[in-house]
Amino acid sequence: NAGVTQTPKFQVLKTGQSMTLQCAQDMNHNSMYWYRQDPGMGLRLIYYSASEGTTDKGEVPNGYNVSRLNKREFSLRLESAAPSQTSVYFCASSPRVRGYQPQHFGDGTRLSIL
Amino acid sequence: QKEVEQNSGPLSVPEGAIASLNCTYSDRGSQSFFWYRQYSGKSPELIMSIYSNGDKEDGRFTAQLNKASQYVSLLIRDSQPSDSATYLCAANDNYGQNFVFGPGTRLSVLP
Repeated sequence: NAGVTQTPKFQVLKTGQSMTLQCAQDMNHNSMYWYRQDPGMGLRLIYYSASEGTTDKGEVPNGYNVSRLNKREFSLRLESAAPSQTSVYFCASSPRVRGYQPQHFGDGTRLSIL
Repeated sequence: QKEVEQNSGPLSVPEGAIASLNCTYSDRGSQSFFWYRQYSGKSPELIMSIYSNGDKEDGRFTAQLNKASQYVSLLIRDSQPSDSATYLCAANDNYGQNFVFGPGTRLSVLP
């Protein structure tokens, strides 16, 4: 019973490098989300996808792009990594956008940009 | 800017005591509310959800909601050292596009 799976779990990049964080859920959820969490701060929404084929910006989208590849998968791409993007990234999913549905989280990706 | 506010803590309680965690929210359109527990280095884990005014109990946890005061709380009875974690409050409107997390309250249960 995997739930939400994120890969990789850890990554170190150099400034200017690019990479894609992968997220997949096996709960048949419609909505998926990407957050970042920095020390002493709460979760900040980067992008979300209400349903397959749609994506929308969250609170802190600059420097990121996303792709909702299919209903299961939602990837986050850093085109040119910057030290300010050092953070823990969480992917989450929920059954649907409308209604009283909580989000379920993956284990996170710990990303360091040197 | 829709906000959810929490006291950052740390909140320290002795083992066996009741821990009381509080949360206020700014968006009157918020309809559903959630409490997540996050252990250090781990992901948030849903522990309670509440949608109607009043109390909701689940084991040692009780969530309380007062929409008129825009206030949500979480009570943990018979606190255990294993309850030591950061507790995140979240609010969501009926359309799911405004899922907002608070900064979290760090709880420390002392043996």
